[in-house]
Amino acid sequence: GQNIDQPTEMTATEGAIVQINCTYQTSGFNGLFWYQQHAGEAPTFLSYNVLDGLEEKGRFSSFLSRSKGYSYLLLKELQMKDSASYLCAVKDYGQNFVFGPGTRLSVLP
Amino acid sequence: KAGVTQTPRYLIKTRGQQVTLSCSPISGHRSVSWYQQTPGQGLQFLFEYFSETQRNKGNFPGRFSGRQFSNSRSEMNVSTLELGDSALYLCASSPNPAEWVLLHFGNGTRLTVT
Repeated sequence: GQNIDQPTEMTATEGAIVQINCTYQTSGFNGLFWYQQHAGEAPTFLSYNVLDGLEEKGRFSSFLSRSKGYSYLLLKELQMKDSASYLCAVKDYGQNFVFGPGTRLSVLP
Repeated sequence: KAGVTQTPRYLIKTRGQQVTLSCSPISGHRSVSWYQQTPGQGLQFLFEYFSETQRNKGNFPGRFSGRQFSNSRSEMNVSTLELGDSALYLCASSPNPAEWVLLHFGNGTRLTVT
């Protein structure tokens, strides 16, 4: 079956670094995506990994290990506006997106 | 460029009724997919359309259906509504199914079934 796991909630302090983990078991793998979703808004694309390793994009980085079925999203220099849900998603062989339940991140002053 | 537009933003229906939701993709995008988002299940794939043809379908009952028009606009329909259908329904578009990195989501339609 298809399964993606993420922590339900995380809390961090402004200016700190936070790592959101994602583990997956899907029927095939065509890439792993991270999306940010603020309450009441549309998910927006953050990053995409298809090969093992780290992809860096400003304050956001995403890591992938296909052999371990594992990814993480690293957020540096946290800002209050980073309070949002972070969705991990895998594109499977059927070309479908399989989403995790999302991690709600609260950034405290 | 206008984003993905979903109408209406909010809907309240009663059990047994049916509902139609609309999605206008970004201009030039021909692939449209639909998702259901609930607090317990997260985002779940409903179906994907490209060039007026359904390419993929998720694990939802036949009460959930959709279609795409020649201008790429899409509608989804839910018949015989159940309380469990209360959710945020998100539509996403991309230029074509292969360019999924360019997937853009709309703000969704929040459906409440009473």
